[in-house]
Amino acid sequence: DTVLTQSPALAVSPGERVSISCRASEGVNSYMHWYQQKPGQQPKLLIYKASNLASGVPARFSGSGSGTDFTLTIDPVEADDTATYFCQQSWNDPRTFGGGTKLELK
Amino acid sequence: EVQLVESGGGLVQPGRSLKLSCAASGFTFSNYGMHWIRQAPTKGLEWVASISPSGGSTYYRDSVKGRFTISRDNAKSTLYLQMDSLRSEDTATYYCATGDWYFDFWGPGTMVTVSS
Repeated sequence: DTVLTQSPALAVSPGERVSISCRASEGVNSYMHWYQQKPGQQPKLLIYKASNLASGVPARFSGSGSGTDFTLTIDPVEADDTATYFCQQSWNDPRTFGGGTKLELK
Repeated sequence: EVQLVESGGGLVQPGRSLKLSCAASGFTFSNYGMHWIRQAPTKGLEWVASISPSGGSTYYRDSVKGRFTISRDNAKSTLYLQMDSLRSEDTATYYCATGDWYFDFWGPGTMVTVSS
């Protein structure tokens, strides 16, 4: 299976820029997607196919990358962005998720 | 507004069965692939199974092949997951989701606990 590796946690101050990385164990073309999950809620799609903003998602969120290295950027970070962020690939079977990056605000 | 609502979760003994349902509304259900994704307590997300819009094609992760069956009733806009021979490692919140390459919308989930 394609393993997706994310940093477990990050802490930033409101108004700052934060980049969350996701590294794949093998190439996934541009078929990397990002989700936000707040405590007690279901995940929500933020970015699809590496860099496309999902409907209704603020433009503060952006995605980049291809192949094996991908980044989700939030600029500027707001208090409401406290959540866990997951990457997910759909190029190789089975579809796999990263372990998640918990974003905390200082 | 797209809505997905899962039901059918609960406490079940190892080796027993459970059937989950996902009622869909707000979109043309028969046009979309559907999926089940699970999340063990305090753990990450794990894709479980997928089904094509017509129901003619189904896909499973290896650990559930032969035990779980995904199906759909397009007339009722409902997705199902029949889970047999349940194991403790199947304990998780089960989400249904729409989408093809990515998961556009997710339901709130239903909790399944496998324990004696």
